[in-house]
Amino acid sequence: NAGVMQNPRHLVRRRGQEARLRCSPMKGHSHVYWYRQLPEEGLKFMVYLQKENIIDESGMPKERFSAEFPKEGPSILRIQQVVRGDSAAYFCASSPRSSGGTDTQYFGPGTRLTVL
Amino acid sequence: DAKTTQPNSMESNEEEPVHLPCNHSTISGTDYIHWYRQLPSQGPEYVIHGLTSNVNNRMASLAIAEDRKSSTLILHRATLRDAAVYYCILRVFNSGGSNYKLTFGKGTLLTVNP
Repeated sequence: NAGVMQNPRHLVRRRGQEARLRCSPMKGHSHVYWYRQLPEEGLKFMVYLQKENIIDESGMPKERFSAEFPKEGPSILRIQQVVRGDSAAYFCASSPRSSGGTDTQYFGPGTRLTVL
Repeated sequence: DAKTTQPNSMESNEEEPVHLPCNHSTISGTDYIHWYRQLPSQGPEYVIHGLTSNVNNRMASLAIAEDRKSSTLILHRATLRDAAVYYCILRVFNSGGSNYKLTFGKGTLLTVNP
């Protein structure tokens, strides 16, 4: 059973370009979470999605960032007009459901975004 | 979420047990204690979780103080592959709340010496 997959693993963009990060959850999981890890810091929650719905995007920057989880296909985190401060590791996690306090989130290997 | 406090770093020798402490003095009755770890250049990995009783699984053991204000993650025999940052996280059991947000602090960097 494949784990959470993310691609690309490494992404280099110049300032002003767009970055698209993809996440395929584990089989049978319908809940996806995105986290960002800046250098030398812990992971910070960005957004929580279910199929075709954004449940909580309270951790997303107000501008330039968007996320989706379509009925078919992977979840996408999109960053428009990237700036150097967007350089970070972006992790996706999935779970079968979100209710309760014991649901484990399974993380992907991350996408390391570098903005030149 | 209630706050946790962990040492910045710890060191261990291979094949020896490791006890990683976590203080959570403001824990509430519905908070579960979760541990994740992050190996270098990888995503976090679930290790173990518990509420009140001590827990064991194939990766580790979790010892929870009687007053629940602290807990200890125990690796029974450290290997080089256990070198990672270990995060202690509290999660509220609340199906209607935002308990899905894992709040990662700085964790404890465990170094394992050969």
